[in-house]
Amino acid sequence: DAGVIQSPRHEVTEMGQEVTLRCKPISGHDYLFWYRQTMMRGLELLIYFNNNVPIDDSGMPEDRFSAKMPNASFSTLKIQPSEPRDSAVYFCATARGGNQPQHFGDGTRLSIL
Amino acid sequence: SQQGEEDPQALSIQEGENATMNCSYKTSINNLQWYRQNSGRGLVHLILIRSNEREKHSGRLRVTLDTSKKSSSLLITASRAADTASYFCAANSGGGADGLTFGKGTHLIIQP
Repeated sequence: DAGVIQSPRHEVTEMGQEVTLRCKPISGHDYLFWYRQTMMRGLELLIYFNNNVPIDDSGMPEDRFSAKMPNASFSTLKIQPSEPRDSAVYFCATARGGNQPQHFGDGTRLSIL
Repeated sequence: SQQGEEDPQALSIQEGENATMNCSYKTSINNLQWYRQNSGRGLVHLILIRSNEREKHSGRLRVTLDTSKKSSSLLITASRAADTASYFCAANSGGGADGLTFGKGTHLIIQP
């Protein structure tokens, strides 16, 4: 079991650029969650998928954020255009069920200059 | 609003002592989960307690749940330097609502 794999681990880019974060879930986990962590707001749920279908995107802060899960092995979170206030650590987590323990990747530390 | 709120925000103790962290939540839950996060890493699941359980043990961890007070506590006995981390509680509301709502965590420092 390789765990949840996120890439890149670190991303530094300039304001206005498009940013794409990637996540490979654990095989067999039907739920995939995207979180954002900052010192001020803690861990926030952005969106989650069940069987590749987006279920709740109410946590997505703005239309600049979008997420896709084209298949059971891959998900992306995209920010376009990026802004300095998007700087945070973004985590992907997966689970066998919606109320089951979640397995987190090591996150992508995003810095928007 | 945050469903899980940990207390204290930070805790520093000597190695070998016990560490107790508390969590409060606002609405009814299906289960409550505790996670640990080491610096620069993702969260790691520690223990899950269901709403109809009052206490659960896992190794040096002991979790209690009081649904009447909407609170939970995590006790780490005989602490070790490697227990230094941030600890989060997360409430699962159930009722078809998936996902977890996390608190801001307790930062635990174990002094050698």
